[in-house]
Amino acid sequence: EDQVTQSPEALRLQEGESSSLNCSYTVSGLRGLFWYRQDPGKGPEFLFTLYSAGEEKEKERLKATLTKKESFLHITAPKPEDSATYLCAVQSGFRYKLSFGAGTTVTVRA
Amino acid sequence: ETGVTQTPRHLVMGMTNKKSLKCEQHLGHNAMYWYKQSAKKPLELMFVYSLEERVENNSVPSRFSPECPNSSHLFLHLHTLQPEDSALYLCASSQDRAGEQYFGPGTRLTVT
Repeated sequence: EDQVTQSPEALRLQEGESSSLNCSYTVSGLRGLFWYRQDPGKGPEFLFTLYSAGEEKEKERLKATLTKKESFLHITAPKPEDSATYLCAVQSGFRYKLSFGAGTTVTVRA
Repeated sequence: ETGVTQTPRHLVMGMTNKKSLKCEQHLGHNAMYWYKQSAKKPLELMFVYSLEERVENNSVPSRFSPECPNSSHLFLHLHTLQPEDSALYLCASSQDRAGEQYFGPGTRLTVT
C-alpha cells in the first residue's frame, strides 16, 4: 500500500520568509510524484510532476525537488496569494490511483 | 463551461433520502474519478472510470453507486447515507493514467 506523509501540518509565514514543505513517501515502483494546490472551497489544482530522484521543477516562487524517499516544495519569498493547502500525491505501477497526503496548510501574512 | 463542473455545490440530505451528484468534464479526457475529502484526512479515491468502464476497485460502501454514461459525464448516486459520509466529494478527470488530474470544485455534502 502506497503511503504519503506531509509535514508540517500547518505553516505560518511572514511575507518574504522562505520555507520548505516535506512529503515523505513509500511506494512500490514510483511512476510519479505530484504536487497540487488547494484553495478553500475549491478542488485541487495541479502544480508539478516529478518522475525520478534528482529532478526539479519550478513555477514562479515554487520549486519542487525529489529524492528516493521524499520530496520538498520550496516557497521562495512568499506572498499572501501563496496561502493555500499544498497536497502531495504518488502514483505507482500502471495504476490510475493517486495516493494523497493530508496536506500542509500555508498561511502567508503581509 | 470549461474544465470540470460539479452540481450541486452544496447538498443537505437525510439518512433516508436518495440523491445524485453530477460531474461533467469539458477537457476531452477519457478517465474520470470520484474522491472523498474529509477534514484533516487525505483525499480518498472512491471510483475510477476509463472509457466508461469502471476500473480499479476500491472498498466503498454500496450506499454509493457510480454511473458513467459517457466519457464526459459521471454521476454518484447516494442512498441511505450515514452522518460520517458528510464530506467534500470531488470529481476529477485525466487523459489515460496521467497523474495530472483536473478537479472540479466539489460538492459539500451534509448528512443529517
